[in-house]
Amino acid sequence: DQQVKQNSPSLSVQEGRISILNCDYTNSMFDYFLWYKKYPAEGPTFLISISSIKDKNEDGRFTVFLNKSAKHLSLHIVPSQPGDSAVYFCAASARGGSNYKLTFGKGTLLTVNP
Amino acid sequence: GAVVSQHPSRVICKSGTSVKIECRSLDFQATTMFWYRQFPKKSLMLMATSNEGSKATYEQGVEKDKFLINHASLTLSTLTVTSAHPEDSSFYICSARVASYTEAFFGQGTRLTVV
Repeated sequence: DQQVKQNSPSLSVQEGRISILNCDYTNSMFDYFLWYKKYPAEGPTFLISISSIKDKNEDGRFTVFLNKSAKHLSLHIVPSQPGDSAVYFCAASARGGSNYKLTFGKGTLLTVNP
Repeated sequence: GAVVSQHPSRVICKSGTSVKIECRSLDFQATTMFWYRQFPKKSLMLMATSNEGSKATYEQGVEKDKFLINHASLTLSTLTVTSAHPEDSSFYICSARVASYTEAFFGQGTRLTVV
């Protein structure tokens, strides 16, 4: 049972355009969401997060949108750069609990073409 | 951000031997660390949650006798792959998180190849 879903395994965009990466979740207990970027043979790098009390969080070229009613979040990258090419993982954690466990989606490979 | 250091970055071992991977939080204390495994073109699969001073919590389907986890201090967790077999070859990543509503910090990962 996949609680965090990234239905697009890959996405290709042109440099300078907007990249939109999508993520859906099923667990209504999730209240904190994160996006990570990962290069091959490296650990994931944190990009941006959002808590369920917000519907938008922006950091430079990265903006995360959260639609709680649809259990959907998206990451917008604008303008996209070739260096953004990587696998992007959506992750979520649930309120309560003491172990701060993150549940990850399967990732979306973003390719930004020059 | 906080730094999590993982060692070694890659290791090749013979089938039947054991391999230890270390995960250290360099500038913060982590009462909880997580161990993940990533297969090629697959997601990060949580293997276990490592709790300082107590037993690790393993995810369903992960053999605790094969993947031994020790979290002896607030800055160090180790994962030992015992009696490794070629199917254990994978990319293993650790992470630490200091509190809820914060990001998790990841180590650099360890590429294990069992020959």
